[in-house]
Amino acid sequence: DVVMTQSPDSLAVSLGERATINCKSSQRLLYGTGNESYLAWYQHKPGQPPKLLIYWASTRESGVPDRFSGSGSGTDFTLTISSLQAEDVAVYYCHQYYNTPYTFGQGTKLEIK
Amino acid sequence: EVQLVESGGGLVQPGGSLRLSCAASGFTFSNHWMHWVRQAPGKGLVFVSRINRDGTSTTYAGSVKGRFTISRDNANNTLYLQMNSLRAEDTALYYCARGRSIVRATGFDHWGQGTLVTVSS
Repeated sequence: DVVMTQSPDSLAVSLGERATINCKSSQRLLYGTGNESYLAWYQHKPGQPPKLLIYWASTRESGVPDRFSGSGSGTDFTLTISSLQAEDVAVYYCHQYYNTPYTFGQGTKLEIK
Repeated sequence: EVQLVESGGGLVQPGGSLRLSCAASGFTFSNHWMHWVRQAPGKGLVFVSRINRDGTSTTYAGSVKGRFTISRDNANNTLYLQMNSLRAEDTALYYCARGRSIVRATGFDHWGQGTLVTVSS
């Protein structure tokens, strides 16, 4: 199975500041010479289902604010929130859909400092 | 509006069985791969199973293979998860989730609210 490892496990950032979450996969999430990494990011708030933010590592889902961005390729990926808002408090997960069984990172809990 | 509504969870004894359902509406159900993902109390998201559009191909996490069976009824827009030989470690909130693209795997763009399964004596 592909192991997804996120860092840090938790993060406290001041309102308006940048938040950065990292995700590393145990194998490349690219097929052949393709340039699309099979990696998604989700936001999960208590009492709600997870929400898809980013897919193909950097494509923002429709309706997701542009302060959320994804980057990276191969095995190393980053989710960046450019200016943290109060409503961004949540647990964030990376997810590989390159190979089954699909796997998720362990989650990063984002709080306000 | 896309809606996924899970049902069928509850309290069951170890070794028992449950069948979860996920009623889909607001989209052409038969066009999308469907998935089950679970979250144990205080833990992260874990993939459980997926099924292709016509139900002919299924995949399972190693921890549930041979005990759980995913299926779908495209005529009635419903996804199922038959869970047998349940263990305490199967206790979790079970979500059904839609594959975003009808062409290839692209993450899960819609999720239900989840149904809680508790395995305990």
